[in-house]
Amino acid sequence: KQEVTQIPAALSVPEGENLVLNCSFTDSAIYNLQWFRQDPGKGLTSLLLIQSSQREQTSGRLNASLDKSSGRSTLYIAASQPGDSATYLCAVRPGTSYDKVIFGPGTSLSVIP
Amino acid sequence: NAGVMQNPRHLVRRRGQEARLRCSPMKGHSHVYWYRQLPEEGLKFMVYLQKENIIDESGMPKERFSAEFPKEGPSILRIQQVVRGDSAAYFCASSDQRGTSTDTQYFGPGTRLTVL
Repeated sequence: KQEVTQIPAALSVPEGENLVLNCSFTDSAIYNLQWFRQDPGKGLTSLLLIQSSQREQTSGRLNASLDKSSGRSTLYIAASQPGDSATYLCAVRPGTSYDKVIFGPGTSLSVIP
Repeated sequence: NAGVMQNPRHLVRRRGQEARLRCSPMKGHSHVYWYRQLPEEGLKFMVYLQKENIIDESGMPKERFSAEFPKEGPSILRIQQVVRGDSAAYFCASSDQRGTSTDTQYFGPGTRLTVL
């Protein structure tokens, strides 16, 4: 059974810092991995999707990496801004049941001006 | 191209009433997924539907919950005889592919259900 965990659960950093969010999954047989952002009381915004055959994806100040063999993904945020404050969710599409997405519990990020 | 739409955005029900949540997928999408986010918990898969078919309902509670995606109109998640524990945010997602590694699900803004 695929399980997704994220550390840390919460993170507070001063503006301008680079930071890394971590995601781990128990079964390396995945179709893809996706990072989402969720603002309080809002829906989900897709940030990056990494295909199972890829090692990383980049969009602006965001870079996500994938290491299937170790069951890990990281989301790197460069030069953080107060507007980056949100909860970041890691989500895995399993290899055995590829229709549903399994979410991690999220990392709550606060960027202090 | 409008995104995934859900209504209502907020729904208040008293214990024992019925809740109906609607989801209109993105144009051209024929796959709909429902997820639930309980307070202080992560998002959990509930059900996956294609037009007129339930494909995977392994995450649905056994009683009081049902879902449909008719040939015409939005997908409906129905909760009968609601209890306080049903209070949560319910998200709908849609996609236009199945089983490919580039497939992505687009999420709606959610319906926040409060049971008094």
